[in-house]
Amino acid sequence: DAGVIQSPRHEVTEMGQEVTLRCKPISGHNSLFWYRQTMMRGLELLIYFNNNVPIDDSGMPEDRFSAKMPNASFSTLKIQPSEPRDSAVYFCASSFVSRGLRGPSYEQYFGPGTRLTVT
Amino acid sequence: AQSVTQPDIHITVSEGASLELRCNYSYGATPYLFWYVQSPGQGLQLLLKYFSGDTLVQGIKGFEAEFKRSQSSFNLRKPSVHWSDAAEYFCASRFTGGGNKLTFGTGTQLKVEL
Repeated sequence: DAGVIQSPRHEVTEMGQEVTLRCKPISGHNSLFWYRQTMMRGLELLIYFNNNVPIDDSGMPEDRFSAKMPNASFSTLKIQPSEPRDSAVYFCASSFVSRGLRGPSYEQYFGPGTRLTVT
Repeated sequence: AQSVTQPDIHITVSEGASLELRCNYSYGATPYLFWYVQSPGQGLQLLLKYFSGDTLVQGIKGFEAEFKRSQSSFNLRKPSVHWSDAAEYFCASRFTGGGNKLTFGTGTQLKVEL
C-alpha cells in the first residue's frame, strides 16, 4: 500500500504566484481532507470531501484558496494569489468510513505533507 | 463547542521512564478517539484508536491508552520510553454529528533525555 501521496514535497514561490498542491488518497478511501499546519495555529482542517463532494469548507481561509476532487483518486488545493502568510505545511489525509461489526471507523491516514514557502 | 484538550505543551522524560500524555474531550457522549504521532518532517501516524468496548486499547510501538468516561479523558501511556519516541503527539476525536472529520488537540511535544 503506497499510502497517501502528496506532491510536491517542497514548494518555494514568490508572493502573487499561483500554487497547486496535489494529493492522491489511498485507493478505496471515500473521504479526503486537507489540513494546514503552522507553529502559530497548529493543525487546521481546511476542507474535506466525501465521495468526491465537498462537505465542509468552513476552514478555507479566504477566496484565494480553492480545492477540487475531480475523481476518487486525485485532489488539488490551489492558492491564487499566494501570500507570505500562506507559508505552512499542507497535509492531505484520507479515510474509509466503513460500518464494520463494531460500527463506523473514522481513522485518517496522512500523507507526508507539502512544505510551502512564499517569499 | 466540541474540543479536545491536551494540557501539556511540552513534556520531558528520561529514557526508560514511564510516560503519560493527557487528553480530555469536551463532549458528553462517547466519541471516537485517536492518538497520532508526528516525527519531525513527517505526516501524522495513527498510534491507536478507541470506538467502544474494552476501555484499554493497545497500539503500535508499545503505546496504550485508556478511555475514562467519568473523566472525559483518553490518556496515552507507555511503560518505558525510548529515545526514538521523541516526537509530537496529537489526540483527536470524532464527535457525534461531526460528519467524518476529526477534531485535533494542540499537541504535546515529547523530549526524551538520554
